[in-house]
Amino acid sequence: AQTVTQSQPEMSVQEAETVTLSCTYDTSENNYYLFWYKQPPSRQMILVIRQEAYKQQNATENRFSVNFQKAAKSFSLKISDSQLGDTAMYFCALTKNSGYALNFGKGTSLLVTP
Amino acid sequence: GAGVSQSPRYKVAKRGQDVALRCDPISGHVSLFWYQQALGQGPEFLTYFQNEAQLDKSGLPSDRFFAERPEGSVSTLKIQRTQQEDSAVYLCASSLQGAPSYNSPLHFGNGTRLTVT
Repeated sequence: AQTVTQSQPEMSVQEAETVTLSCTYDTSENNYYLFWYKQPPSRQMILVIRQEAYKQQNATENRFSVNFQKAAKSFSLKISDSQLGDTAMYFCALTKNSGYALNFGKGTSLLVTP
Repeated sequence: GAGVSQSPRYKVAKRGQDVALRCDPISGHVSLFWYQQALGQGPEFLTYFQNEAQLDKSGLPSDRFFAERPEGSVSTLKIQRTQQEDSAVYLCASSLQGAPSYNSPLHFGNGTRLTVT
């Protein structure tokens, strides 16, 4: 079975600061994909960043980057220069190469304060 | 369309009523997924369509849940004889093709919030 754990239910960061959200997972697969999704109050899940497990290089999308540690099964999200619009729930998700389901963690609620 | 569209945005049903939730995926997307998100939780997979074929329905919680995509585009999730534990946000997602992957990530709609009283 695959599990995704987000150990920080809530986090807060000041505008323009940097924050890191943690995610660990458990899988027996060798090839898989990892995602971070953002869910603002509008409820729409928005793709933030994605990573292929067999690529060593950490993914980066503008102010968002990941620290992917395959051996440790860790996939943390770093948000630089935090903006008020980053306030949302953030979900880490895992899929295996041969499956259809995306397994989500329970989420981290991030509040960006002025 | 520009994005995944779901309707209605909110639905209140009395226990025992049947409900139908609609999803209009991104044009050209072969894959369509339904997820259930309980309050304070991450989304849970319900079912997957490739075009009109339902290839995986392993996440449907009971036989009261039924999904269809008859023409390979719009999909409907139907819940019969609703129960209070069915209260949740129901999210629809589409992707270019196949299972979620780097090149075919899921694009979600705004969801339908179902409240069963």
